[in-house]
Amino acid sequence: ETGVTQSPTHLIKTRGQQVTLRCSSQSGHNTVSWYQQALGQGPQFIFQYYREEENGRGNFPPRFSGLQFPNYSSELNVNALELDDSALYLCASSLDGLAGAYNEQFFGPGTRLTVL
Amino acid sequence: DAKTTQPNSMESNEEEPVHLPCNHSTISGTDYIHWYRQLPSQGPEYVIHGLTSNVNNRMASLAIAEDRKSSTLILHRATLRDAAVYYCILRAYSGAGSYQLTFGKGTKLSVIP
Repeated sequence: ETGVTQSPTHLIKTRGQQVTLRCSSQSGHNTVSWYQQALGQGPQFIFQYYREEENGRGNFPPRFSGLQFPNYSSELNVNALELDDSALYLCASSLDGLAGAYNEQFFGPGTRLTVL
Repeated sequence: DAKTTQPNSMESNEEEPVHLPCNHSTISGTDYIHWYRQLPSQGPEYVIHGLTSNVNNRMASLAIAEDRKSSTLILHRATLRDAAVYYCILRAYSGAGSYQLTFGKGTKLSVIP
């Protein structure tokens, strides 16, 4: 069973640029959640996709957007990068929608984004 | 969302039990209590969860107060590999059978050889 993978592992961008981060979910999972983790803080929920539809969003502006594909892989796009967007971006996959089932989230290792 | 309060850091000697406390005085009746941990340079990993009753699994035990306003994660014998940030989380329902996790700052556990 393949775990959650993310690419790239590290990325450096300049302010104002756009970035796309990728996540490959664990096999059989239909839900992906994205989190932003600033240095020394806990992960903050950005949004979640369930069967290719956005299904919940945290307190992040619209320049943070996402996609989930039919094979349940996912992208996080950030436009007009700001210095404060420098963080570790984590994706987590789970198998949701089953009544009574427990939805443990499996996290990838993250992408470290630095905005200069 | 209901919030959790944890100590910023704790220390334990190797092979001794560790009790990590969490307060969640505004918990609602349907909130599950989750614990995840994050080892250095890794994403968080699930540890344990519960609703009302105490729970045990191969990693840890979870003791939940009768009024559910606090809980304690118990590592029975700390090892060096248990050094991590431990997050106590109340899971919120986000629709269509999906849930989101709201992390706080967690407790950084140091294990002394």
